[in-house]
Amino acid sequence: AQSVTQLDSQVPVFEEAPVELRCNYSSSVSVYLFWYVQYPNQGLQLLLKYLSGSTLVKGINGFEAEFNKSQTSFHLRKPSVHISDTAEYFCGIRDAGGTSYGKLTFGQGTILTVHP
Amino acid sequence: NAGVTQTPKFQVLKTGQSMTLQCAQDMNHEYMSWYRQDPGMGLRLIHYSVGAGITDQGEVPNGYNVSRSTTEDFPLRLLSAAPSQTSVYFCASRRRQGVGNSPLHFGNGTRLTVT
Repeated sequence: AQSVTQLDSQVPVFEEAPVELRCNYSSSVSVYLFWYVQYPNQGLQLLLKYLSGSTLVKGINGFEAEFNKSQTSFHLRKPSVHISDTAEYFCGIRDAGGTSYGKLTFGQGTILTVHP
Repeated sequence: NAGVTQTPKFQVLKTGQSMTLQCAQDMNHEYMSWYRQDPGMGLRLIHYSVGAGITDQGEVPNGYNVSRSTTEDFPLRLLSAAPSQTSVYFCASRRRQGVGNSPLHFGNGTRLTVT
């Protein structure tokens, strides 16, 4: 069984400050890792993904994430946030093999609120 | 380019009523899925399909039925709505496993309230 834990349900920050949203996962098999963002009243959009190779992954809107296999973590970071980054962020994992038909397991979500 | 289209956007049902949430995608994606989103619980998989005629249960399938008669459509049926099914429902699709490891594409959701 797989599980994803987002360690913070809410993260308030001031504009132009750095931010880190934490994600830990558990899986008995190799996984792909994803971060999605959800703006109010919208569906989820892909921010970035880790499939293999370099453990530092860059995504859209200046976000990046680092895969740490030993700590089973995939934390999302941005060096300077904007008001427009206010949204809910979801970490997700998917079996890298072919047995789960690509089912994506999500964490509980982290609400990022950027204050002026 | 429509992507994943969900209808309706909002729905209010009385306990015991039935309804179908519609989902259509125009990207020729083999894989389609339904999630429900509840506060503090993230998104949980209800049902999924890896192609026309093939469906399977996800994490929380009870109270929901699905069918996949075409590649484009993947409707979700509530046979007898219960207040516990009050949620926001998302349909998502992607190309099949092993083809570029493509990400899920989400619809904009259906907000369902059961009274």
